[in-house]
Amino acid sequence: DAKTTQPTSMDCAEGRAANLPCNHSTISGNEYVYWYRQIHSQGPQYIIHGLKNNETNEMASLIITEDRKSSTLILPHATLRDTAVYYCIVRVGRGNTPLVFGKGTRLSVIA
Amino acid sequence: GAVVSQHPSWVICKSGTSVKIECRSLDFQATTMFWYRQFPKQSLMLMATSNEGSKATYEQGVEKDKFLINHASLTLSTLTVTSAHPEDSSFYICSAPGTSGGTHITDTQYFGPGTRLTVL
Repeated sequence: DAKTTQPTSMDCAEGRAANLPCNHSTISGNEYVYWYRQIHSQGPQYIIHGLKNNETNEMASLIITEDRKSSTLILPHATLRDTAVYYCIVRVGRGNTPLVFGKGTRLSVIA
Repeated sequence: GAVVSQHPSWVICKSGTSVKIECRSLDFQATTMFWYRQFPKQSLMLMATSNEGSKATYEQGVEKDKFLINHASLTLSTLTVTSAHPEDSSFYICSAPGTSGGTHITDTQYFGPGTRLTVL
């Protein structure tokens, strides 16, 4: 699976959009971009995933660049409950293979 | 979405004892489950892949005789930490791929809430 690079930490004001970048320059054509988050002392929570088109769900939007070498997770209106570590993972879309976690980005939403 | 539970949520034990952690898929079947370990301020590390009806596959450096995995049914996998020592104290998390239509494995994995093990 391709390696990803994320900033170590970011701050965001409550109510503003949080934009979390991820670089995955070695991504292969059949690899998806997944985003999970982990709130302190809990199991990771699935957020969104995509292959090449932008995706949106009730939690977030995923913007993937045309060359697929980077992506951005957007939380449109961050709340204090969005404070967590966010993991960007690149993986072939086979559900029965494990996710390999990097260090992620620690997002702190500030009141 | 699919729900994965773990039991217990936390456990404290004495050094040398064994501890069993259960991982259940509550509303779907999982022929495969994954076990992770997370030390403080670190990321999740994959320990092993649990396969229903067959032996687990362990990652390099994980002792299979110390971390016994049993996947006896389509909804339950157990991890037993044998002869636990303080260095085994960690946050243990399981996950399972979701299914659609009961049989088709989806791309999304669902995680349990984790079990915090403290060995004194």
